[in-house]
Amino acid sequence: DVKVTQSSRYLVKRTGEKVFLECVQDMDHENMFWYRQDPGLGLRLIYFSYDVKMKEKGDIPEGYSVSREKKERFSLILESASTNQTSMYLCASSPPTGIFTEAFFGQGTRLTVV
Amino acid sequence: TQLLEQSPQFLSIQEGENLTVYCNSSSVFSSLQWYRQEPGEGPVLLVTVVTGGEVKKLKRLTFQFGDARKDSSLHITAAQPGDTGLYLCAGASESNYQLIWGAGTKLIIKP
Repeated sequence: DVKVTQSSRYLVKRTGEKVFLECVQDMDHENMFWYRQDPGLGLRLIYFSYDVKMKEKGDIPEGYSVSREKKERFSLILESASTNQTSMYLCASSPPTGIFTEAFFGQGTRLTVV
Repeated sequence: TQLLEQSPQFLSIQEGENLTVYCNSSSVFSSLQWYRQEPGEGPVLLVTVVTGGEVKKLKRLTFQFGDARKDSSLHITAAQPGDTGLYLCAGASESNYQLIWGAGTKLIIKP
């Protein structure tokens, strides 16, 4: 079974802190994604990566950056956390994108910025 | 920009009732996926539909892809409390297969 593991289930950080969210997958997937999920807004794509050291902006990249130094690991960085970044963050991985591509998700990190 | 409108946003019904959730768009998708998410977990894929008019069944769940591949529906027959969760549809863009997500339907089935 594909396993996508996010480093924390719950995080509380202060405004202005630099925050690191880590994600590891064990299925050698090329693609990895970071989403944030807010009630009524669905999943919004922050960044994705289709290869090591490659990254592409999603729909809402402002205030975030990412790092993919190894194929299995994709990190999301909040450069200076703000209260409007309080949200559920979901990491996902998938094989090369195609019609039947399934996204496999981690359990999510609920981040609260105070 | 491709959009996928999902309705209803929230549904609370009694056990044994039937329900339908809709995903609609003005854009054509190469495929349409339905996911289910339980509290505290990430979404898990239920089904992928690819061909216009395609119908897939998963026990009491019936998924249909519109003839023009712009819309999809999820019908649950005789809903059970175990069906409770957030249901998400996601369309794969024709140009690059990136997933476009609906906002989700929060479903509560009361015993």
